[in-house]
Amino acid sequence: DAGVIQSPRHEVTEMGQEVTLRCKPISGHNSLFWYRQTMMRGLELLIYFNNNVPIDDSGMPEDRFSAKMPNASFSTLKIQPSEPRDSAVYFCASSLEGKDSPLHFGNGTRLTVT
Amino acid sequence: AQSVTQLGSHVSVSEGALVLLRCNYSSSVPPYLFWYVQYPNQGLQLLLKYTSAATLVKGINGFEAEFKKSETSFHLTKPSAHMSDAAEYFCAVSTILLIQGAQKLVFGQGTRLTINP
Repeated sequence: DAGVIQSPRHEVTEMGQEVTLRCKPISGHNSLFWYRQTMMRGLELLIYFNNNVPIDDSGMPEDRFSAKMPNASFSTLKIQPSEPRDSAVYFCASSLEGKDSPLHFGNGTRLTVT
Repeated sequence: AQSVTQLGSHVSVSEGALVLLRCNYSSSVPPYLFWYVQYPNQGLQLLLKYTSAATLVKGINGFEAEFKKSETSFHLTKPSAHMSDAAEYFCAVSTILLIQGAQKLVFGQGTRLTINP
């Protein structure tokens, strides 16, 4: 299995631009998570989906952030418009259902907003 | 609500020495607990997990953790540190959700482990 695949690995954009991060979860996994990691805040859960349905988006910082999961094999996290404080590493993770199911993380997208 | 606290944002040990990374949890129900490791420029990888079976859990790379309910702790240990163990380590607890099958992990702030030659 190729694992969780995220693209792009690095994204540099100017303030005000739209940014779209992409994620392909592990085949067969029905839970998908978007996390953001910064030095100041550590690892923050932004949103997660179960069977393609958003379950909890309380971690999404503002209306500028949106996430979709149109099917079981693809998800996007969009920031519009982007701001310098959005600079972080964004991770996607997937898992099977169940309280003891571990998360499998992608390698992340490093976003820099100038 | 479930939460975890990792004591010490940085830990430094000599190569060959004991590694001890501390994690305390808060949970109103029996928790499921995890330790993850993150190497530079990579995502998190599962080291080990506790799911109410044996209280001493063995993971990859020689790490193990012991669940102690009386102390609400799940500390990570390794008898002899190796240079390749240098990384950031995260403790996490799985939360209970009302929606069956849906779960999420709450992570601690992480502990950066440095190994001195």
